[in-house]
Amino acid sequence: EVQVVESGGGLVQPGGSLRLSCAASGFIFSSYEMNWVRQAPGKGLEWVSYISRSGSTTYYADSVKGRFIISRDNAKNSLYLQMNSLRTEDTAVYYCASFKPRPFWGKGTTVTVSS
Amino acid sequence: EIVLTQSPGTLSLSPGERATLSCRASQSVSSTYLAWYQQKPGQAPRLLIYGASSRAIGIPDRFSGSGSGTDFTLTISRLEPEDFVLYYCQQYGSSFRITFGQGTRLEIK
Repeated sequence: EVQVVESGGGLVQPGGSLRLSCAASGFIFSSYEMNWVRQAPGKGLEWVSYISRSGSTTYYADSVKGRFIISRDNAKNSLYLQMNSLRTEDTAVYYCASFKPRPFWGKGTTVTVSS
Repeated sequence: EIVLTQSPGTLSLSPGERATLSCRASQSVSSTYLAWYQQKPGQAPRLLIYGASSRAIGIPDRFSGSGSGTDFTLTISRLEPEDFVLYYCQQYGSSFRITFGQGTRLEIK
């Protein structure tokens, strides 16, 4: 069964850092492009970042560019999101997801940025 | 960036009725990369349709997707009580600018 499970969320103060992880199983992880998507409380879905199969290409939403870093370890079947200089507006549920050829998502991990 | 506009924002219908949800793109979207999701409170989005018209595994056949270019539609043929939740469309053709619609809320009339 294809599965991705996010972890690493929690409460952090503004300006702080957090590292999210996504553990993949049930598929050949190195063959899939991966993404992070977030959803702020009561809001819609926002794409955050993309990484290619090898990890050599990455893209970011303007709202997180320069603060977040996406990476992957294909040997460990894992995806990561290093979040620095966190702001209150980064408070959201963060989902690990792949979209091509057919979308699948994890259940998400909650990040709360508050003093 | 491709902007997806969903309409209506809220749709009020009764169980057993037919629902038609619209997703309009600001520029042409490849049908291969257009998806629809259902989201219940407190849960992750659930994939309903991908490739504009292909039903995901386990999705009842009352859900169907259609459209091409800039206009896409999600149709629910006979509404069940559990269908009255939130729906999003998504385009994922460009890996560097994936976008979602703002959502349509289906409520019981």
